[in-house]
Amino acid sequence: GAVVSQHPSWVICKSGTSVKIECRSLDFQATTMFWYRQFPKQSLMLMATSNEGSKATYEQGVEKDKFLINHASLTLSTLTVTSAHPEDSSFYICSASNPGRVAYEQYFGPGTRLTVT
Amino acid sequence: GEDVEQSLFLSVREGDSSVINCTYTDSSSTYLYWYKQEPGAGLQLLTYIFSNMDMKQDQRLTVLLNKKDKHLSLRIADTQTGDSAIYFCAVNSGYSTLTFGKGTMLLVSP
Repeated sequence: GAVVSQHPSWVICKSGTSVKIECRSLDFQATTMFWYRQFPKQSLMLMATSNEGSKATYEQGVEKDKFLINHASLTLSTLTVTSAHPEDSSFYICSASNPGRVAYEQYFGPGTRLTVT
Repeated sequence: GEDVEQSLFLSVREGDSSVINCTYTDSSSTYLYWYKQEPGAGLQLLTYIFSNMDMKQDQRLTVLLNKKDKHLSLRIADTQTGDSAIYFCAVNSGYSTLTFGKGTMLLVSP
């Protein structure tokens, strides 16, 4: 149980275009989903927290107009990188949490490697 | 805010035990977690411990928590080459938000 998928697993796009990444909880309802960014050999940086049916809460320094997050259902959240630039190239990982679980643990997707040329 | 520190690298031989250490600053953290990340992959939850526990054992994994010193450790018995990965310590710092350490790269040599 507690499987989270991400799509696509990798994507290459041209500078100036937008890219959408999907995060799905496959066997549980995720009232809360998280989006992280990970640079090579570094830890995870939380970008935003999204609760189903409400606006995402962005961490300080994360541009909400650039990284659009939608959590329209209990099993799907999307991250859209708008007007992508090479500095947006990174590994993006989502996770899902169900507050009904006793330990608030997060279950992670396999990540999406974004390369902007 | 919460700060989580880990040593960056650990090298062991196959069959030995590995101990990965972590310190944190927020004494109100309720749950503490260990995640494993293999190259190019997401994070896999290995185990977690509730803050009122001192120890938790799960097969080859033993988690020790010293709440007074805010110190958490993960011991892997009979380490195998397949255990080579980056291990992240994480603590919950408010509802379901997690704060991660920078990760410890474990290298297991044959």
